[in-house]
Amino acid sequence: GENVEQHPSTLSVQEGDSAVIKCTYSDSASNYFPWYKQELGKGPQLIIDIRSNVGEKKDQRIAVTLNKTAKHFSLHITETQPEDSAVYFCAAIGSGAGSYQLTFGKGTKLSVIP
Amino acid sequence: DTAVSQTPKYLVTQMGNDKSIKCEQNLGHDTMYWYKQDSKKFLKIMFSYNNKELIINETVPNRFSPKSPDKAHLNLHINSLELGDSAVYFCASSQDQGPDTEAFFGQGTRLTVV
Repeated sequence: GENVEQHPSTLSVQEGDSAVIKCTYSDSASNYFPWYKQELGKGPQLIIDIRSNVGEKKDQRIAVTLNKTAKHFSLHITETQPEDSAVYFCAAIGSGAGSYQLTFGKGTKLSVIP
Repeated sequence: DTAVSQTPKYLVTQMGNDKSIKCEQNLGHDTMYWYKQDSKKFLKIMFSYNNKELIINETVPNRFSPKSPDKAHLNLHINSLELGDSAVYFCASSQDQGPDTEAFFGQGTRLTVV
């Protein structure tokens, strides 16, 4: 099955600085890589995703890059704001036992210091 | 309108009791899931149902029994609750069970077994 590693586990940045979270995956057949943001007391919310036919995708201050050869993908948040503080999860959809399922990284707690 | 809703949001119960968590989605999706998030925030899939049929059943004690009366509902029943069952349980849904499908999560049910 798929295995997703995520680093760092915690990240503190000053407001206005950039934050980068990195993930690696094991299943070379995986083609879909979503990123979720989880605020305190809430469920994970999809913020951006990337499919294997592109190398980079941007949405305002958030961007994701994918290197299929190296099997890693990263989340970049620019001009961070206090409301970006949350736990971020990367994920990959791998196939195991004939079915597709989301496998999550262990999460990164991002703190943006005003 | 809440896309994926779970009830209750909080559940405190004694060891040995039986409890249920309900989940409903109004997105018209075919696939629903239950995830468990432990104290370290690790998200792990428990079950997946596609059109009311069980697709994924990870290594979960058989005290946990999902039930899907129709494709908009996936309930989780837990028998003989143990201290180690304390966690946050998330319901999620996706359009289908394909290799690049987006998953939408509910707000979670925090289960505390005392």
